[in-house]
Amino acid sequence: DTEVTQTPKHLVMGMTNKKSLKCEQHMGHRAMYWYKQKAKKPPELMFVYSYEKLSINESVPSRFSPECPNSSLLNLHLHALQPEDSALYLCASSLPGQGPNEQFFGPGTRLTVL
Amino acid sequence: GESVGLHLPTLSVQEGDNSIINCAYSNSASDYFIWYKQESGKGPQFIIDIRSNMDKRQGQRVTVLLNKTVKHLSLQIAATQPGDSAVYFCAESGGGSNYKLTFGKGTLLTVNP
Repeated sequence: DTEVTQTPKHLVMGMTNKKSLKCEQHMGHRAMYWYKQKAKKPPELMFVYSYEKLSINESVPSRFSPECPNSSLLNLHLHALQPEDSALYLCASSLPGQGPNEQFFGPGTRLTVL
Repeated sequence: GESVGLHLPTLSVQEGDNSIINCAYSNSASDYFIWYKQESGKGPQFIIDIRSNMDKRQGQRVTVLLNKTVKHLSLQIAATQPGDSAVYFCAESGGGSNYKLTFGKGTLLTVNP
């Protein structure tokens, strides 16, 4: 299995809702990432987990809460989002090592906040 | 933070021509560079990478060139096909962080049949 899967593909939520995005990989990667991508812009890093521990938080607002229950799964819990949070949310994974490595991306979840 | 930028936001080529997409980076400590292709509605797809101890690397129909002196990266696509139409991002990493990829703005490549 050489892919990263993400669910759901699309999500529409109100500003008072609580929802979760899910990401899964079975490549044995021990680094997992969340990115946010607005239309016609490059992906922007949000969080990095290394060996199931949060290693990078790019000053993301607390209404986004990541979770890494095990080495194959990565969640992003959403609560009280704003319309400007509407974007494509991408998950990625990579082999951690002594240097940077290729990150494999999932197809993304298209989030719309009403 | 350091930025990675692209010279041209759009590139239009004829099918069969060679394409060259350029990227400038500013972090001299970067030691890993990667090109991604992103088709509409999909996540970025790895094309090719290069480490700073190399100046050229070739894949299938693609070549990446790295000029560390002027902090410039390019992606060459040979015999461009309609299926190559997509947004291409360069990204850089290193300088102490093994995980943080910084993406450039992206170039939209359109291949005309």
